Amino acid sequence: DAGITQSPRHKVTETGTPVTLRCHQTENHRYMYWYRQDPGHGLRLIHYSYGVKDTDKGEVSDGYSVSRSKTEDFLLTLESATSSQTSVYFCAISEEAGDLNSPLHFGNGTRLTVT
Amino acid sequence: TQLLEQSPQFLSIQEGENLTVYCNSSSVFSSLQWYRQEPGEGPVLLVTVVTGGEVKKLKRLTFQFGDARKDSSLHITAAQPGDTGLYLCAGEGNSGYALNFGKGTSLLVTP
Repeated sequence: DAGITQSPRHKVTETGTPVTLRCHQTENHRYMYWYRQDPGHGLRLIHYSYGVKDTDKGEVSDGYSVSRSKTEDFLLTLESATSSQTSVYFCAISEEAGDLNSPLHFGNGTRLTVT
Repeated sequence: TQLLEQSPQFLSIQEGENLTVYCNSSSVFSSLQWYRQEPGEGPVLLVTVVTGGEVKKLKRLTFQFGDARKDSSLHITAAQPGDTGLYLCAGEGNSGYALNFGKGTSLLVTP
């Protein structure tokens, strides 16, 4: 299994509080991604990174920011959590992008509940 | 956004039955990937299909990529309870870096 660790695995927070989710990889892969998974919506891309300090927005980036100061860590921050951000968040990594021999490897997710 | 529509959304069958799930789009994809996700875990890649008309087999699972590279199907023969999970198809997104996923087919196989 690819070495991907997401922390925390579960979190309950109140509306308006800041929250940071961490993704740590031991594979030295260049590309890292944050997705959220919701019933009826499937997996949707929030942000992705194509290198240290190189990030870009996905389709549902509003209310989220990311940082990647080291190859192995990709942080997702909710500056002021809202109930609509209650979801399961998945981090994924890949060695290359658009390479058929370089699939996405996912972490086991963080379940976030905003009350 | 290149949308991927999966059907059916839910499927509940008994052990030993055959089933087919579908992944359709109005867009042409250079390749499509199929993932399976079990409860409490992240998706895991099953297969990548690349060539229009391609058929790939993975034990009891048969994957097909449409001739026009707009659709794909997954056929499971003699389903087993261990096949239970969420099956997701994915294709390249507009960014060229990340994948877009369909909403998935949730399969339950009962003994």
